[in-house]
Amino acid sequence: AQSVSQHNHHVILSEAASLELGCNYSYGGTVNLFWYVQYPGQHLQLLLKYFSGDPLVKGIKGFEAEFIKSKFSFNLRKPSVQWSDTAEYFCAVSLDSNYQLIWGAGTKLIIKP
Amino acid sequence: DSGVTQTPKHLITATGQRVTLRCSPRSGDLSVYWYQQSLDQGLQFLIQYYNGEERAKGNILERFSAQQFPDLHSELNLSSLELGDSALYFCASTKVGLPGDEQFFGPGTRLTVL
Repeated sequence: AQSVSQHNHHVILSEAASLELGCNYSYGGTVNLFWYVQYPGQHLQLLLKYFSGDPLVKGIKGFEAEFIKSKFSFNLRKPSVQWSDTAEYFCAVSLDSNYQLIWGAGTKLIIKP
Repeated sequence: DSGVTQTPKHLITATGQRVTLRCSPRSGDLSVYWYQQSLDQGLQFLIQYYNGEERAKGNILERFSAQQFPDLHSELNLSSLELGDSALYFCASTKVGLPGDEQFFGPGTRLTVL
């Protein structure tokens, strides 16, 4: 069965630190990759997505992610985090062959001011 | 605000009972998805509807059922409730429900089964 792994469940950083959140999936076919974010008290919203083309994808609020097909990875990065980036981040994968979105367990990110 | 609404926000009920959760998609969206988020299982896809028809089924229990009505709102029915059904239930919508589409999420309904 397909699965999505997020390596860290909790990450604590200071403001201005660089961020990388890992995401690996298990599926050899064509995938669509997503990062969603849930800020405290708010609904889930899309940060960025990849479905084809340039493997380096830029999203909102200065986030980017790189799709590395050979490593089955889609890691999220931000060069300098802010206190307002405190949130839970979810990696998700959908297959072109079906309509399900398969989710990672989420990473809770806390930014210390 | 994503444009997706869910009611109620909170629901507290007892084991063995039945509840109905409601979702209204964004204006113009034809596809609705239901998810369950619990502490031990994370976010699990339950079911997807497109224009009134079931399109995909995930880890949905037989005690759970859903439907999408002609006005495109959707309801998730949970019956014979168990303690383990306590969770946050999210609804999401997209225009046409393709695998690469961005899903727009509602605020969720928090269900507590006592």
